[in-house]
Amino acid sequence: DTGVSQDPRHKITKRGQNVTFRCDPISEHNRLYWYRQTLGQGPEFLTYFQNEAQLEKSRLLSDRFSAERPKGSFSTLEIQRTEQGDSAMYLCASTPPWGTEQFFGPGTRLTVL
Amino acid sequence: AQTVTQSQPEMSVQEAETVTLSCTYDTSESDYYLFWYKQPPSRQMILVIRQEAYKQQNATENRFSVNFQKAAKSFSLKISDSQLGDAAMYFCAFTDSNYQLIWGAGTKLIIKP
Repeated sequence: DTGVSQDPRHKITKRGQNVTFRCDPISEHNRLYWYRQTLGQGPEFLTYFQNEAQLEKSRLLSDRFSAERPKGSFSTLEIQRTEQGDSAMYLCASTPPWGTEQFFGPGTRLTVL
Repeated sequence: AQTVTQSQPEMSVQEAETVTLSCTYDTSESDYYLFWYKQPPSRQMILVIRQEAYKQQNATENRFSVNFQKAAKSFSLKISDSQLGDAAMYFCAFTDSNYQLIWGAGTKLIIKP
């Protein structure tokens, strides 16, 4: 296992379209996090899973955003009716049961035209 | 509210010299973790160093060390013998029992050859 992977790495879409991103965590990592990062800023927490349960969701996250983690393995993040303000890097991270360090994937860069 | 503040948007240092990046945070928790992450240009976030709040001893990892002042809620990163490969954005981050990372805005480190 080489680390957290994310797909796609880049996505360009038109305003109003739906997009879905995938994150595959490191195997045996039970916690999975999604963050959004805009240029020149630190990451902003979006949501967090422990196994298949979504335990926390940012109040900043609009109802156009939804995330799932069926079977407690990979996770998907869907954005419906994209807006130009959704353009950002979407980062996924995972953590093992025994630790606190979050291991990050390479991110998916979303551009909404 | 829990916050992390990095007051230096950009720092530069001569190769082989020492540089210190500052970070302050605010929390009412007594048990938490602090991290410094590095994000090279167009590359993924990686952990540089971690500090548990209950440990009085400052963490060190090779050329990287921290100065953790719990009462002052300060957590600075010292990089000794700076190398060209150290050039990156450095983010200070904090997590408590919820495991959600709260991030600073980052400091861009420039290494001058």
